[in-house]
Amino acid sequence: DTEVTQTPKHLVMGMTNKKSLKCEQHMGHRAMYWYKQKAKKPPELMFVYSYEKLSINESVPSRFSPECPNSSLLNLHLHALQPEDSALYLCASSLYPEGGTNYGYTFGSGTRLTVV
Amino acid sequence: QKEVEQDPGPLSVPEGAIVSLNCTYSNSAFQYFMWYRQYSRKGPELLMYTYSSGNKEDGRFTAQVDKSSKYISLFIRDSQPSDSATYLCAMSQLVQGAQKLVFGQGTRLTINP
Repeated sequence: DTEVTQTPKHLVMGMTNKKSLKCEQHMGHRAMYWYKQKAKKPPELMFVYSYEKLSINESVPSRFSPECPNSSLLNLHLHALQPEDSALYLCASSLYPEGGTNYGYTFGSGTRLTVV
Repeated sequence: QKEVEQDPGPLSVPEGAIVSLNCTYSNSAFQYFMWYRQYSRKGPELLMYTYSSGNKEDGRFTAQVDKSSKYISLFIRDSQPSDSATYLCAMSQLVQGAQKLVFGQGTRLTINP
């Protein structure tokens, strides 16, 4: 299995809703990441989990709450989002957080989120 | 000044042409250099990554890194319409025990049959 699987593929939510995005990988990767990508822009880093611990938070608003229940699973909990949070949310993983000869991120296809 | 600069294009070339894509960077702490391809409404797909200065070849793709000039390139030979996509350069540095990846703006490439 060489994939990062993200669910759901599409999500429409109201500003008062609570929802969660899910990301799964079974490649034995020990680093997992959340990125946000707006239309015609590059992905922007949100969070990094190294060995199941949050190591980088790029000053993301608290309405986004990440969770790493185990080494294969990454969640992003969403609450009280704003319309400007509408974007493609990408999950990625890499073998070792610190890099190495097999370095390279594998990205999922993303969840396209629309906040209404 | 952005840490990573990439011409957003768009770039349009005929099928079979050699394509050259480039990025410059300002942060000497970058350790890994990557090129990703992203088709519309899909996640980025890793094409090439390098750690040191020099060339790396994989099929029709060649990646070059010149750390002294802070310049990286991707060459695509015998370009095909299926190569039409946005190409993103990316670089990473070690921050708080993890590699932090920074992307260029992406270049939108169209290969015309």
